[in-house]
This record gives sequence, structure tokens and C-alpha cells, in this order.
Amino acid sequence: DIQLTQSPSFLSASVGDRVTITCRASQGISSSLAWYQQKPGKAPNLLIYAASTLQSGVPSRFSGSGSGTEFTLTVSSLQPEDFATYYCQQRKSYPITFGQGTRLEIK
Amino acid sequence: EVQLVESGGGLVQPGGSLRLSCAASGFICSDHHMDWVRQAPGKGLEWVARIRRRANSDSTEYVAAVKGRFTISRDDSSNSLYLQMNSLISDDTAVYYCARVSPALDYYLDNWGQGTLVTVSS
Repeated sequence: DIQLTQSPSFLSASVGDRVTITCRASQGISSSLAWYQQKPGKAPNLLIYAASTLQSGVPSRFSGSGSGTEFTLTVSSLQPEDFATYYCQQRKSYPITFGQGTRLEIK
Repeated sequence: EVQLVESGGGLVQPGGSLRLSCAASGFICSDHHMDWVRQAPGKGLEWVARIRRRANSDSTEYVAAVKGRFTISRDDSSNSLYLQMNSLISDDTAVYYCARVSPALDYYLDNWGQGTLVTVSS
């Protein structure tokens, strides 16, 4: 199975900050990676797919990059509604796997 | 509008069975791969199962932890997805989400239901 390791697991930041979350894969997955945002009590929401393609309707302050084994999700200027948990997910091979999550909280 | 509505969750004893349903609207289920993803209380997301679209012969995939115990299926007449769960154990306690896999979005999960809670406990 392909393991995805996110860092950090917990991040405290302020409105307006630029933050970056990293997702490392245990083996190369080319660009077969997505990022999801989940708020408490809600289903996940697709933000970015194919490592760097922004899903329709997602604000442009979100961006993704990377390929192979290292990927990043960047939020250029945090807004109050961005405080949530973020997960990466690979679809290169079965079983599909998710990272353990990064919880982003308000400082 | 695409909508997915799960039902069928509840409290079940270890060793018991439960069948989850996911009613889809706004799109044709059989034209898409469909997934079940679960989330144990306070934990992260775990992919559980996939049924591919009719064009791919409805073939299925499972995570090892549920293989042989869970069965994913689809009913085209009701445009619904199902997850038959047998031999349930405490580790199966989770919110179960159904999700649509979008070929237009490179086969990622673009729409999710609200989830249904399954609790396995005596």
C-alpha cells in the first residue's frame, strides 16, 4: 500500500498568513494526488486534483504543486473559513489512501 | 444538482450485519465509479470500497480490512449505491460516506454525501 504522510499534523496560524502543508508518498505516484478540506461535522470537499488543478469554485488562494513523492498545498492568505482539516489522497494504485490529516487552527 | 444521501446506519452488535444505502440524484450512478469512505470518531479518512461504472463491468475494489466481509453494489433502477457489511467488528465504527468519482476530474471524489454513523458495540 502507498502511505501518505502529511506534515505538520497540526498548524496554528493567523488570518492573512501564508501556510504550506506537505504530503509525502512512500513511493512515486506521478501527479495522482488530490487535496480535500473537511470542516467539523461535514463531508470532505475536493480542493485540488491531479496535484495542481484547482477544482471549480475553489478560491484561487489555494494552490497545489509537486509530483513523484512530494506534494504541497499552499494557502496564500488565510481567511476565517479556511480553518479546517486538510487531507491528501492518492489514486495511483489500490487501495486508495489518504494522509492522516493536517488540522489548521486559528492562532 | 448532484446529491448523495446515505441511510442505514445505526447500532449493531459485534458479528452483526448492516446494509448502508446511498440515494443519488442529479446524475446517473452507473455512469460513474462510486466509492465508500469511512471516518472513525476523531480520526482521519479511510477509503473502503469502489464499484466501477457499468462501462467497466461494475468491477469492485476493497481495502484489505473489509475484504470478504463487505460488498459494494449498485441498483440502476433506483440510482442507488449500497454497502453490505457483515461480520462487523468494533474497528468498523465510523461515519460512512458515499462519494462520486468524476472521470472529468481525473477520477477524484467530487461529490460526497453527508454520511451515516455505524456503531459496532455490545
